[in-house]
Amino acid sequence: ELKVEQNPLFLSMQEGKNYTIYCNYSTTSDRLYWYRQDPGKSLESLFVLLSNGAVKQEGRLMASLDTKARLSTLHITAAVHDLSATYFCAVASRYNNNDMRFGAGTRLTVKP
Amino acid sequence: KAGVTQTPRYLIKTRGQQVTLSCSPISGHRSVSWYQQTPGQGLQFLFEYFSETQRNKGNFPGRFSGRQFSNSRSEMNVSTLELGDSALYLCASSEGVHVNTEAFFGQGTRLTVV
Repeated sequence: ELKVEQNPLFLSMQEGKNYTIYCNYSTTSDRLYWYRQDPGKSLESLFVLLSNGAVKQEGRLMASLDTKARLSTLHITAAVHDLSATYFCAVASRYNNNDMRFGAGTRLTVKP
Repeated sequence: KAGVTQTPRYLIKTRGQQVTLSCSPISGHRSVSWYQQTPGQGLQFLFEYFSETQRNKGNFPGRFSGRQFSNSRSEMNVSTLELGDSALYLCASSEGVHVNTEAFFGQGTRLTVV
């Protein structure tokens, strides 16, 4: 069974600092997604990573995928308060991209 | 292009009752998945439908069921509600044909069982 482990679960950062969230998964997959969720809201898609070595960047967030290590990272550069949210990684089934297993989420708080 | 629409947004039910939630996918999307989100268990996959057929099912009891109609709209039903069924239920739609397409989530239905 596909398992997804995300760490840390809680992250409190100062504005302007950098940090990385890690996502490990247990079985072969080459499709990994990062989502953001604000309190009481739905999931907003951040990144779709489809192949080994994929790297995508949007603003202060950069995501990468290493399928051999079964590891994805979400790197935050020079954090700002607006980035405060819960971030989830999700790994798709090999055969069905709409069958995803989610990590527990990382609740990020960025303090001034 | 309209997004994924879930109705109702909020629902309060009593233990033992049943409930039906609805999800209208993005136009042209044929795959709909359902997820349950709770503080204790996180986001868990319920089931996925494509072209009116259930393709995969998560580890939930038979009280949880779903279906998909010919217009790709999907419903999920929970019978004999328990307090632990209180959760945010999210549906996601995708094209479902090419495995590398993205899934988009609706706003969710927050179910409270009292």
